Amino acid sequence: DTAVSQTPKYLVTQMGNDKSIKCEQNLGHDTMYWYKQDSKKFLKIMFSYNNKELIINETVPNRFSPKSPDKAHLNLHINSLELGDSAVYFCASRSSRAHGYTFGSGTRLTVV
Amino acid sequence: SQQGEEDPQALSIQEGENATMNCSYKTSINNLQWYRQNSGRGLVHLILIRSNEREKHSGRLRVTLDTSKKSSSLLITASRAADTASYFCAPFTNAGNNRKLIWGLGTSLAVNP
Repeated sequence: DTAVSQTPKYLVTQMGNDKSIKCEQNLGHDTMYWYKQDSKKFLKIMFSYNNKELIINETVPNRFSPKSPDKAHLNLHINSLELGDSAVYFCASRSSRAHGYTFGSGTRLTVV
Repeated sequence: SQQGEEDPQALSIQEGENATMNCSYKTSINNLQWYRQNSGRGLVHLILIRSNEREKHSGRLRVTLDTSKKSSSLLITASRAADTASYFCAPFTNAGNNRKLIWGLGTSLAVNP
């Protein structure tokens, strides 16, 4: 059973399109995150939700909009995709009782 | 920048040797975590050391933490080819009620058979 699952695994799309990435965790964790990893492997936090409430919103273009319909899901919608959005996007979750994060396997987004 | 820094950026050793990776950070922390990332995969949590701890062991992993120097090290003993991966240290900060992990660029470890 996959603990944190992201879909799709790969996404190739043209500039200007709108796309969504979905994330689900079956660990019962109450905090979920979206990270962007660039080609140099630097991980940058984008958003964090705790019990469906936004708690971290780093400096991210407002073309990126997270949505958490419930505690187990945190989806990422991106409008008007740009070349610079090409990266690997990771979803992660954490329990408030523990500090270790569990990561999904990533979504490789390529904007052409 | 809140970025943590790992040193070295890349390390190549022979199977059976020990690998040591260092990490420095700038903020006050609640704990510090180490993660491994295999090529093309997600990050896997390895070990967590709290700010009031100085050393922690888990199998072949040994982590130290020196909060006065704002530094940590990860030692992998008797390395195996399967240890080949990127290793990230991630200080967990409570600064400004903004609880989050701070990431560096990682150390890329290659263990040669």
